[in-house]
Amino acid sequence: NAGVMQNPRHLVRRRGQEARLRCSPMKGHSHVYWYRQLPEEGLKFMVYLQKENIIDESGMPKERFSAEFPKEGPSILRIQQVVRGDSAAYFCASSPLSGAEAFFGQGTRLTVV
Amino acid sequence: ILNVEQSPQSLHVQEGDSTNFTCSFPSSNFYALHWYRWETAKSPEALFVMTLNGDEKKKGRISATLNTKEGYSYLYIKGSQPEDSATYLCAFKTSGTYKYIFGTGTRLKVLA
Repeated sequence: NAGVMQNPRHLVRRRGQEARLRCSPMKGHSHVYWYRQLPEEGLKFMVYLQKENIIDESGMPKERFSAEFPKEGPSILRIQQVVRGDSAAYFCASSPLSGAEAFFGQGTRLTVV
Repeated sequence: ILNVEQSPQSLHVQEGDSTNFTCSFPSSNFYALHWYRWETAKSPEALFVMTLNGDEKKKGRISATLNTKEGYSYLYIKGSQPEDSATYLCAFKTSGTYKYIFGTGTRLKVLA
């Protein structure tokens, strides 16, 4: 049973480009969380999704950021028109139930140049 | 705004020492508290899921306690080893919400 897989591990984008971050949850997990870690800061909640539904996106910036978790395939965090301030590590976690322990992926480190 | 605070921010101990750190959270509408261990360049690894006031959990030399009435949890490491060096995170959830709010962690360095 593979763990939570995130790809790419490292992503470099120029200002104005789009970034797509992928997260494949553990087998049997239908709950996905995305967190962002800015330099020198802790993990900040972004969004919580179940299959085909966004349940809580209270941590998502209002513009340029979107997330989905389709019926088939990985969860995608999409950042349009990236800016330097988007440079961060983005972590995804999955769990089988809402309150159960979450298993984290190794993160995608986004660098905007 | 819900806030989770961890103290100390960082800690250096000698190999063999026992140590503990604190996670403080709002005491109302408590649902669950998780502890994670996060080594550099790896993903956070779940240590404990705590849900009941008075819970005590143990895994090897690491244990944790929970007091939901006063809003704190302690993590203890007995006989610290260099491989215990990591950042220890706690994450808190209230009932009726879905997100876990993380503290900024305690960075532990065990010196050989």
